[in-house]
Amino acid sequence: GEDVEQSLFLSVREGDSSVINCTYTDSSSTYLYWYKQEPGAGLQLLTYIFSNMDMKQDQRLTVLLNKKDKHLSLRIADTQTGDSAIYFCAETPNDYKLSFGAGTTVTVRA
Amino acid sequence: EPEVTQTPSHQVTQMGQEVILRCVPISNHLYFYWYRQILGQKVEFLVSFYNNEISEKSEIFDDQFSVERPDGSNFTLKIRSTKLEDSAMYFCAFLGVSSGANVLTFGAGSRLTVL
Repeated sequence: GEDVEQSLFLSVREGDSSVINCTYTDSSSTYLYWYKQEPGAGLQLLTYIFSNMDMKQDQRLTVLLNKKDKHLSLRIADTQTGDSAIYFCAETPNDYKLSFGAGTTVTVRA
Repeated sequence: EPEVTQTPSHQVTQMGQEVILRCVPISNHLYFYWYRQILGQKVEFLVSFYNNEISEKSEIFDDQFSVERPDGSNFTLKIRSTKLEDSAMYFCAFLGVSSGANVLTFGAGSRLTVL
């Protein structure tokens, strides 16, 4: 079955690192994704990781994947006020469909 | 300029009325999707549309819902007789490829409020 779970809220001080966690159920997912949703906007692709990788780094973003535990995390280094948004984790139950979690609302405080 | 334009951005309707939500992708794609997000809940898959046919649909996508590409450009979601629980944000998306990965590109969404 498809089920993606995320914590709902995260508050972080500006300049600190944010870590957003996600668990998924579909072990056949080829890719796992992180999307970002800013107020009034659609979902924007942030990054993704291929299922045979453990880690992917992209500037301030680091994705860690633990396939054994079906655990995915997104670390944002040096969090800025512009990083305040909702972050969605997504798995791929097949190559042509993404299943999303409920999203983690990240609030960056000064 | 957004890659996917959705209209209307917000629609308020009475229960039982028909609603049509529209989506226009910038470039030519074959796979299209509708997702919805009820306030505070998951982004849920509704339907995928490939080569002018429904490819996959969820259990949410019942007989009240239909999709089509009437002119090969616009991609529409019709809800025949809206219910209160249809109030949600509806997102259109298309499938592209980025560095070998299948990636969905989303529109900004259409907020539907059913009274």
